[in-house]
Parts: sequence; structure tokens; C-alpha cells
Amino acid sequence: QVQLVQSGAEVRKPGASVKVSCKASGYTFTNYYMHWVRQAPGQGLEWMGIIIPSGGSTTYTQKLQGRLTMTKDTSTSTVYMELSSLRSEDTAVYYCARDNGGYNDYWGQGTLVTVSS
Amino acid sequence: QSVLTQPPSVSGAPGQRVTISCTGSSSNIGAGYDVHWYQQLPGKAPKLLIYGNSNRPSGVPDRFSGSKSGTSASLAISGLQAEDEADYYCQSYDSSLSGRVFGGGTKLTVL
Repeated sequence: QVQLVQSGAEVRKPGASVKVSCKASGYTFTNYYMHWVRQAPGQGLEWMGIIIPSGGSTTYTQKLQGRLTMTKDTSTSTVYMELSSLRSEDTAVYYCARDNGGYNDYWGQGTLVTVSS
Repeated sequence: QSVLTQPPSVSGAPGQRVTISCTGSSSNIGAGYDVHWYQQLPGKAPKLLIYGNSNRPSGVPDRFSGSKSGTSASLAISGLQAEDEADYYCQSYDSSLSGRVFGGGTKLTVL
């Protein structure tokens, strides 16, 4: 069965960086794009960007351009999301979610990133 | 301010029918892009509920239905059950933003 398993919670100070992993299993990794979506405490879902695992191409939301980097490791079927220059507003649960033609059919369990001095 | 507008909350008694609207514009829903719906139970990851405007993934009860018209879409839930209490989000694509967009979410309370 399809599974997306994310790395554990992180705490960072303002200005630092964080890298979250998402390991996929149960399907051919390179056949499906992967998205990252975040959710601040008590808030709605915010789309961050997409990575194409087969080639590594990425598209990011303009709001996070310059601070967001998505990468992949095909050998381990893992995608990574790295966010730099962290601010308190980046405190959120970060989800990876598989794309299936315009929508996300499988989601990771979420990773809480807390930015606090 | 979300690109797709949803009511913050809706409520209904068990057995009743409720609808949740999702209003967009000519650069997203009105441009012909599909609308998808997700259910998020408290403390859980979102779960796909409706895809391609009106299609249900395997395992989603037929009490849930979706529709789209013009620049808006709707999610209908009939025969409300206590377990339906959750947050619901619509999602589409926006050509002016060149990316996915979500509605602000609607909290469903089963009275």
C-alpha cells in the first residue's frame, strides 16, 4: 500500500534552516509528482510547491521563493523540503502529498516545525 | 485571504444535509480547472474526499457529493453523522499564480 513517512518534529531558532524528509513506498517513486503543503496552528492549508521526482524539476509558490528548496533521492524514494531563514510565521505542520493528476491522493503524517528563540 | 472562498463554519443535526461552497474566479475555477475536496479530522492529515469536481475515491461513502458551476463549486454531505465533524477544504489550480490554491477551510459541526 502507498505510504508517505515523514521525519520527526523539529525546533529551530529564527534565522536557522530546517530540512524535512518524506520517504515514499508502495508505488513507483518516479511516476508521481510530490507536493509540500503546510498548515500553521489553527490555520488553513497553504500550498508550498511541487517536485518532479523523475528529473528533479521544481516549482515554488512565489511567497517562499528564495527560501525554499525541494530535492529528491531516487535511490531511497525520498523527497526533501528545506526552508531557510526561518521566522516565527514558519511555525507549522508540514505535509508531503502525492500528486495524482491535479489532486493529492496520499499524504504524509505531517512534521511539526517550531521556530522559537 | 485565500484565493478560494469558503464559509468559516456550517452546522447540521444528525441525518440532515449540509452544503459547503467554494467560490473562485476566472483564473481558477472559472477557467475550467477542476475542484477537489479534502476532509481533515482533528489532529490528522487531510484526506482526499472528492476529486475532479464530483468523483469519490474508493472507500468514501456516497453521502458525500461534489459539483461545480461557473466560478464556484459545492460539497454536499447528506445523512450527517457525528464522525463527519471535521474541517473541509476545497482545492484547485490558479493560472495567474501558476500554482495550487486552497480554500480557507470550513469547520463542520454536527449538532
